[in-house]
Amino acid sequence: DAGITQSPRHKVTETGTPVTLRCHQTENHRYMYWYRQDPGHGLRLIHYSYGVKDTDKGEVSDGYSVSRSKTEDFLLTLESATSSQTSVYFCAISPGGLNNEQFFGPGTRLTVL
Amino acid sequence: SQQGEEDPQALSIQEGENATMNCSYKTSINNLQWYRQNSGRGLVHLILIRSNEREKHSGRLRVTLDTSKKSSSLLITASRAADTASYFCATARSNSGYALNFGKGTSLLVTP
Repeated sequence: DAGITQSPRHKVTETGTPVTLRCHQTENHRYMYWYRQDPGHGLRLIHYSYGVKDTDKGEVSDGYSVSRSKTEDFLLTLESATSSQTSVYFCAISPGGLNNEQFFGPGTRLTVL
Repeated sequence: SQQGEEDPQALSIQEGENATMNCSYKTSINNLQWYRQNSGRGLVHLILIRSNEREKHSGRLRVTLDTSKKSSSLLITASRAADTASYFCATARSNSGYALNFGKGTSLLVTP
């Protein structure tokens, strides 16, 4: 257990609604990441953070925004959910800092109808 | 873009046999990590190998890295039914905050 939780674990929502997913860590690790996992694509980076209020885009950031107002929480927001955002979302932390292992949360399964 | 690509896509073996999975990548890396994912579950970190390392062991796992060929292999010795899972390689580069680029995975089935 890397001390990382995600909420909610499952969510069903409708197209056009905003959705916020939360990633929470129990330690004060600086680096946090959001990925999505889809069949046939593996995991792909959405956004990452290297500190409070310091975030950057990843490979598939369109339609997503993030915020990190506290070290322990990294929020992922789907501004207006679309069916193409139906996916499993994973948060990860890198407790050892850069160039070290990344550990993943349990994931959030999101369905957009 | 997908950095790592695993081969084979699927592998079926019997308990007690060894399982070898390969991973190829396209650009220079700082480290390469292997993960296991059971169906519908989260990712479990298995092992990290840095770009200046050639081989690492962890229990029944052996990982090699050949940076000249841009490839890595994961060997699971004496496989067990509990090893049935998908295995992913992921590469990290110093740009994008060492975020990981994942391959599509190898699905391993170990039958009793």
